[in-house]
Amino acid sequence: GAGVSQTPSNKVTEKGKYVELRCDPISGHTALYWYRQSLGQGPEFLIYFQGTGAADDSGLPNDRFFAVRPEGSVSTLKIQRTERGDSAVYLCASSPRGLTPYNEQFFGPGTRLTVL
Amino acid sequence: GQQLNQSPQSMFIQEGEDVSMNCTSSSIFNTWLWYKQDPGEGPVLLIALYKAGELTSNGRLTAQFGITRKDSFLNISASIPSDVGIYFCAGQTSGNTGKLIFGQGTTLQVKP
Repeated sequence: GAGVSQTPSNKVTEKGKYVELRCDPISGHTALYWYRQSLGQGPEFLIYFQGTGAADDSGLPNDRFFAVRPEGSVSTLKIQRTERGDSAVYLCASSPRGLTPYNEQFFGPGTRLTVL
Repeated sequence: GQQLNQSPQSMFIQEGEDVSMNCTSSSIFNTWLWYKQDPGEGPVLLIALYKAGELTSNGRLTAQFGITRKDSFLNISASIPSDVGIYFCAGQTSGNTGKLIFGQGTTLQVKP
């Protein structure tokens, strides 16, 4: 079946602009995660959704970052007033369930964001 | 915050050799996962470990969940060129979020 998909695959924007990144999880997966991966580093957790609600947003770096999942499926990560330091690969992952254990997360290919 | 120390940072080996990499943590995890990431792709799950002491294999890959629950290792036997990539360990603590804490990655290069 289809895996996690993310669009766009690449996004180049100018400092100060607003961007939206989209994630389509695996059908039927209730848990959805966003991670950010800087060059040469492992992914870092941003936010977790269980259904429509953000159950854990402790990884969002500041209030310029916001994410929604209004119908419990597709999610959008929104970044306001982008800064050059926001440049990274933004990864989305989904899981059949959010509770540990047996929380195997499946990742999408990521969106590479470049802020000029 | 929680940190995972993954080593070695990189490896350059001959095809056919065995490979070993490990992760250690200052905190206890109740799940360990190992992922492989190719350039331009997201991480792909290789092995998941759920119990302290558990030893699990997936083809030429073997991983173990340390008894102290603060470490895990991954072995790859008889490496082949397609094993090239970046390998990440990731841990989960107990609780309801399931968020993963990742190591810094081990870059593996295989010489044919």
